[in-house]
Amino acid sequence: AQKVTQAQTEISVVEKEDVTLDCVYETRDTTYYLFWYKQPPSGELVFLIRRNSFDEQNEISGRYSWNFQKSTSSFNFTITASQVVDSAVYFCALSEALRGYSTLTFGKGTMLLVSP
Amino acid sequence: ETGVTQTPRHLVMGMTNKKSLKCEQHLGHNAMYWYKQSAKKPLELMFVYNFKEQTENNSVPSRFSPECPNSSHLFLHLHTLQPEDSALYLCASSQDTLSGGRGFLSGNTIYFGEGSWLTVV
Repeated sequence: AQKVTQAQTEISVVEKEDVTLDCVYETRDTTYYLFWYKQPPSGELVFLIRRNSFDEQNEISGRYSWNFQKSTSSFNFTITASQVVDSAVYFCALSEALRGYSTLTFGKGTMLLVSP
Repeated sequence: ETGVTQTPRHLVMGMTNKKSLKCEQHLGHNAMYWYKQSAKKPLELMFVYNFKEQTENNSVPSRFSPECPNSSHLFLHLHTLQPEDSALYLCASSQDTLSGGRGFLSGNTIYFGEGSWLTVV
């Protein structure tokens, strides 16, 4: 069975601090995909990044960066110089290869509160 | 602006009412999904439609009835719901790779709508 664990329920930081959101996953598949989504108070899940299990190269997009380590089954997300607009719930998810379409197993999410 | 739109955004209904949630995707995808998000619980997959055919029903009670008339539209018909069904219902879509065959490599990005906040009173 697939499982995604986000151990941090809530994180509070002050604007301009760096913050790392942890994600640990379990899967028996040798090929899989990992995702991060952002959910602001409005409710929409906003796609941030997708990585496949063969590509362990870290990725940076503006203030966002992702550290994928297959050896520890982790896919951590760092926001540099956080801003109030980063306040949201962040979900890590794992995709199963199932019958030709994507299904996602989500973690419980980490609520990030960035105060001015 | 999201490519997946849901209506209504908010819905309050009594336990004896019949209502429907509507989802439309403008991304040209052929797989559509309903997810449920309750307080304090992880997002739960409810239904999957692939090329208009229902391919996954994740043990959802029959008071939730999905309908997919075409690859762009997905409905969730609600009937005699319970207060514990109050939740955020999220529609999503993705571009399927190829149909058929367990173990086929998948993992295409799923794009979500803004959700419909449902309150059952």
